[in-house]
Amino acid sequence: AQTVTQSQPEMSVQEAETVTLSCTYDTSESDYYLFWYKQPPSRQMILVIRQEAYKQQNATENRFSVNFQKAAKSFSLKISDSQLGDAAMYFCAYRNYGGSQGNLIFGKGTKLSVKP
Amino acid sequence: EPEVTQTPSHQVTQMGQEVILRCVPISNHLYFYWYRQILGQKVEFLVSFYNNEISEKSEIFDDQFSVERPDGSNFTLKIRSTKLEDSAMYFCASSGTMNQPQHFGDGTRLSIL
Repeated sequence: AQTVTQSQPEMSVQEAETVTLSCTYDTSESDYYLFWYKQPPSRQMILVIRQEAYKQQNATENRFSVNFQKAAKSFSLKISDSQLGDAAMYFCAYRNYGGSQGNLIFGKGTKLSVKP
Repeated sequence: EPEVTQTPSHQVTQMGQEVILRCVPISNHLYFYWYRQILGQKVEFLVSFYNNEISEKSEIFDDQFSVERPDGSNFTLKIRSTKLEDSAMYFCASSGTMNQPQHFGDGTRLSIL
């Protein structure tokens, strides 16, 4: 069974600085997707960024980028120029590619605080 | 931008009662999901639904749970006889295809008394 591990329960960053959130996963599959979701205090789950395992290039969305290391099964999220609105729980998630298993498998989350 | 909508935002129910959580997925999406998040814990998969039938379910999704798509727009989760441990945030999600990202609703906070 696939698992997702986020080893940092809490992180803190100064506004305008850069922070990296860690995520590792375990799977025997070669094709899969990885995601970062953001959950602000309002509790909504917001997709931040997605990475397809078959793509070597790291995904980027504005201030958010990932460092995908397939051999190491590592998928970290870098937030540049942190803003107060980035404060939230961040969940790393895995999903198989194709087949019948489309469900997301989540890590336990990292609570990010942004200091003004 | 189209959104997944969930109602109610907060549901308070007596233990042993039945509860129905409602979701309206994005209109052209074909895959539907329910997840739950117990306070302070990670989000857990419950069930996926495609082509009017369950495609996958987790061990959490036992006989007290059921899902239905009663019409062309709603997707419901029914809990037949609620227990205290069913208290959680329940999220509905949908995607256009299985390989497209899942879009989540704002969740329904279910409190069992």
